[in-house]
Amino acid sequence: GAGVSQSPRYKVAKRGQDVALRCDPISGHVSLFWYQQALGQGPEFLTYFQNEAQLDKSGLPSDRFFAERPEGSVSTLKIQRTQQEDSAVYLCASSKTGTGGYNEQFFGPGTRLTVL
Amino acid sequence: GENVEQHPSTLSVQEGDSAVIKCTYSDSASNYFPWYKQELGKRPQLIIDIRSNVGEKKDQRIAVTLNKTAKHFSLHITETQPEDSAVYFCAARYNAGNMLTFGGGTRLMVKP
Repeated sequence: GAGVSQSPRYKVAKRGQDVALRCDPISGHVSLFWYQQALGQGPEFLTYFQNEAQLDKSGLPSDRFFAERPEGSVSTLKIQRTQQEDSAVYLCASSKTGTGGYNEQFFGPGTRLTVL
Repeated sequence: GENVEQHPSTLSVQEGDSAVIKCTYSDSASNYFPWYKQELGKRPQLIIDIRSNVGEKKDQRIAVTLNKTAKHFSLHITETQPEDSAVYFCAARYNAGNMLTFGGGTRLMVKP
């Protein structure tokens, strides 16, 4: 079946522009995660949704970052007034159940954001 | 919060040799430890995982061991092949949460 998809795959923004990154999780998956992966490093947690509820946003680096999942399926990560340090690959992952299950997180292909 | 350290950062082996990657974690409440393989420009893909109530798990050429007392876990790949070349990430999940904390990655190169 279809895996996690993300769009766009590549995004170039001028410093100060706003961007919106989309994630389509696997159908029926309860949990959705956003991670940021800088070049040559491991993914770092940004935020977590269980259905439409944002249960953890402790990893968002500043108030310029905002995520939503209004209907419990598709999610959007928005970055306002982008800065050069926001350049990274943004990975979305989904898993079948909510908190407490030992469920594999399936990753999307990522969106590579470059801020000039 | 949880902190995961991974070593080595790069590893080069001859085809057919074994490769071992080691990780340590800081939070004794972590209970789930997956390993992901990421090829260049591709998404991370789970290759094996282990729960905290198990000491070892094996899947064909891949095995993972967990030492809860020492808070470290390792990935073992036997009979390496060129297609094993990739970046490998270990991760730990804190008991009460759902997020994964990743190590810094190991670039494995298998020379034919």
